[in-house]
Amino acid sequence: AQSVTQLDSQVPVFEEAPVELRCNYSSSVSVYLFWYVQYPNQGLQLLLKYLSGSTLVKGINGFEAEFNKSQTSFHLRKPSVHISDTAEYFCAVCYNKFYFGSGTKLNVKP
Amino acid sequence: NAGVTQTPKFQVLKTGQSMTLQCAQDMNHEYMSWYRQDPGMGLRLIHYSVGAGITDQGEVPNGYNVSRSTTEDFPLRLLSAAPSQTSVYFCASSRGQTDTQYFGPGTRLTVL
Repeated sequence: AQSVTQLDSQVPVFEEAPVELRCNYSSSVSVYLFWYVQYPNQGLQLLLKYLSGSTLVKGINGFEAEFNKSQTSFHLRKPSVHISDTAEYFCAVCYNKFYFGSGTKLNVKP
Repeated sequence: NAGVTQTPKFQVLKTGQSMTLQCAQDMNHEYMSWYRQDPGMGLRLIHYSVGAGITDQGEVPNGYNVSRSTTEDFPLRLLSAAPSQTSVYFCASSRGQTDTQYFGPGTRLTVL
């Protein structure tokens, strides 16, 4: 079975600071990797995805993620966050079915 | 183009009652799925469908039934509600299993 671990349940950060949200997955086979964002009282929206090719994936709103096969990680980064980035972020892997991590709440402070 | 719609937005049930959560999409997507979201646990897959007439179980299927008679609709049935089913339920659709999933706004269900 697949599993996805998001090590940080909450990440506080000041506006304009860089941020990294960590995601590790367990799989011995190739998987597809995703990051979704959920704003308060809304459904999830896709930030970015890795299917194949370049290991550095760029998404919307200035986010990017790097696929590291040897470390089975897919960490999400943004060089300078805004107040509007305050939301919950979910990492997901897909191997036949989707498996989501438990989420990381990003709280951007002024 | 409404995307993925879910009804109702809120529902309160008593233990033992049954109900159906509705989900519809107008994007002609083959793949549809139901998730429940609980604090600290992320989203867990309940059931999914790869096309009309085909459904399969996810991680947490017990207590829920689904059917897929049309491409557009994918209702989720709670047969006999239990307090453990108190959760926020999301429906999602995509062209294929590994494609971007589009999520509905969710249904917040409370079982007393």
